[in-house]
Parts: sequence; C-alpha cells; structure tokens
Amino acid sequence: NAGVMQNPRHLVRRRGQEARLRCSPMKGHSHVYWYRQLPEEGLKFMVYLQKENIIDESGMPKERFSAEFPKEGPSILRIQQVVRGDSAAYFCATHLLENTEAFFGQGTRLTVV
Amino acid sequence: GIQVEQSPPDLILQEGANSTLRCNFSDSVNNLQWFHQNPWGQLINLFYIPSGTKQNGRLSATTVATERYSSLYISSSQTTDSGVYFCAVGDNAGGTSYGKLTFGQGTILTVHP
Repeated sequence: NAGVMQNPRHLVRRRGQEARLRCSPMKGHSHVYWYRQLPEEGLKFMVYLQKENIIDESGMPKERFSAEFPKEGPSILRIQQVVRGDSAAYFCATHLLENTEAFFGQGTRLTVV
Repeated sequence: GIQVEQSPPDLILQEGANSTLRCNFSDSVNNLQWFHQNPWGQLINLFYIPSGTKQNGRLSATTVATERYSSLYISSSQTTDSGVYFCAVGDNAGGTSYGKLTFGQGTILTVHP
C-alpha cells in the first residue's frame, strides 16, 4: 500500500450514528482520493482532495457525506446518520505522481447495524 | 463517463492452469492498472500499464490502447492467486487528468488445489 494508512480497519455503527474514516497518505503527499466498494461490486470514485481543497466531489452522495483534508492531520470522510446501505469498504488512495500509478490503503470496512 | 468491462466475471481453475483476463474500455485512456483484491480485501498493485507489455514472475499484462483493451495473463496458477482481479482506467474527460480511476466489475478467480 506504499504507506497509505487508513483507520480504523473495521467500524460498526448503529443506524443514525456518525462514522468518521481517516486516511493518511504517504509522507509528502498532499492529495487523496476516496473510493467506495459496495458488496459484490467494484470500487467507485467518491472524491478527490488536495490539502484544504476539494477538487472533485462528483462521486459523493449529495446528502450525509462530506470529506475534508485539513492542512494538518489526516483526510476525514464523514458519514452522518448512517443507514444500512452505507455498509461498504471505503478505500483511500494516492499517486506517486499525478495521474500515474495509484496506491491504495487497506480500507475501512463499515458495517451499519 | 468511460465504461470498463471485464471478462469473464468468474473463473475456476485447477492449480497449474493458465488463464487470461480481459479488460475492455470505451474511450482513450491515460492510465490503466491491474489490481488483485485478496480474500482479506486488500488491493494489491499488479501492473501500471497504460500501454505496452510488462511481466512480473508468473503474471504478465498487455495493453493495446488503440484497440481499447488490456489483458492479464496468469501462468501456472496457484491457490494464492485466488481473489478478485480489477482493471481500473483513468481518462482525460473534462480535463480531469489528475488520476481519478474507473474500475471494472472484476473477475473472481478461484484456484483449486
């Protein structure tokens, strides 16, 4: 995973709670991509962030989902008032150079009960 | 957006057999990667191959960008090759050349001893 760190690895939330997923890209990298993998499906792009800026959020659900990448600290994907359909694996990724090989973290598996 | 189709969707092999996985895409690409998702859900980089041919041990990949396809070859398969194989492409649609990836639905490979 070339140093892309995600935590927690597993997260269980009850319906209506908030989920916070964290991603720290490789040292010196100031951009992250978030992807979601629903059960039995491929990964789908959600959002691309650079430090303090959202560059492309075309894959983000319109409600309850938000993402940030502050100047200091990890990128956070936040899901408010989770529902069962939010249960999925959430991956973040970065590239060594823009638009070259992407490296993914180990993912956070969110289960909503 | 760009469409990515992988075939076959499922593949069952006996250990030692060879196989070819295919990835077709609907538009020109500037990035193409193959990943192996192991049974623990981790995404392992196999090849970054927007064009040409590469080999790594028992695996090799070829991308013919002008014909909009890529192939992944697995020789002398082993039980540890089991998992899901994803093809992911990046295009330049709308000027988004920064590296957003579109994934295929994957090929589920099962290798029996």
